Amino acid sequence: AQSVTQPDIHITVSEGASLELRCNYSYGATPYLFWYVQSPGQGLQLLLKYFSGDTLVQGIKGFEAEFKRSQSSFNLRKPSVHWSDAAEYFCAVGMEYGNKLVFGAGTILRVKS
Amino acid sequence: AAGVIQSPRHLIKEKRETATLKCYPIPRHDTVYWYQQGPGQDPQFLISFYEKMQSDKGSIPDRFSAQQFSDYHSELNMSSLELGDSALYFCASSPGTGATYNEQFFGPGTRLTVL
Repeated sequence: AQSVTQPDIHITVSEGASLELRCNYSYGATPYLFWYVQSPGQGLQLLLKYFSGDTLVQGIKGFEAEFKRSQSSFNLRKPSVHWSDAAEYFCAVGMEYGNKLVFGAGTILRVKS
Repeated sequence: AAGVIQSPRHLIKEKRETATLKCYPIPRHDTVYWYQQGPGQDPQFLISFYEKMQSDKGSIPDRFSAQQFSDYHSELNMSSLELGDSALYFCASSPGTGATYNEQFFGPGTRLTVL
């Protein structure tokens, strides 16, 4: 069955430090991969997506992610975290059949000053 | 640019009552998806519609039903509400262009609280 694993439930980083959020997926076909960010009680904002092509994708707010097929991973990175980045981050894979999204459990990012 | 509209944004109901959530997709989007996000949970796919027909079904309780209308807006009807139905309900829309995968655009969500 299709699944998305985000192994880190919580991550705390200092402001200005680099960030990497891990995401592994299990899906037999071509993966369509997404990262969303959600502030408490708010909606889902798309950070970036990977459909095909260059495996390093750039997103909004200075985020980037790298697709590694051999590792079934799509990790999210940011070189310098800002306090406003504190939120919950969801990795998701889009199913080719039916087009639905399967989400990971999310990683809560805390930023300390 | 126009976005997905959901109404109401907040809804409070008592147990065993019914609730109707509405979703208005982005213009020219003919596919609508519903997701449920419980407290501290990830969003879970409920159901989707393409051209007014159900296209996929996830973990949607039998107490829930949904439909898509001729103007492509969709309604999620929830009956015999239970405390566990309290959640954030997202609607998303996408164009049905026939491409292999069509990106979904999410609405702001409806927060349902069942007391």
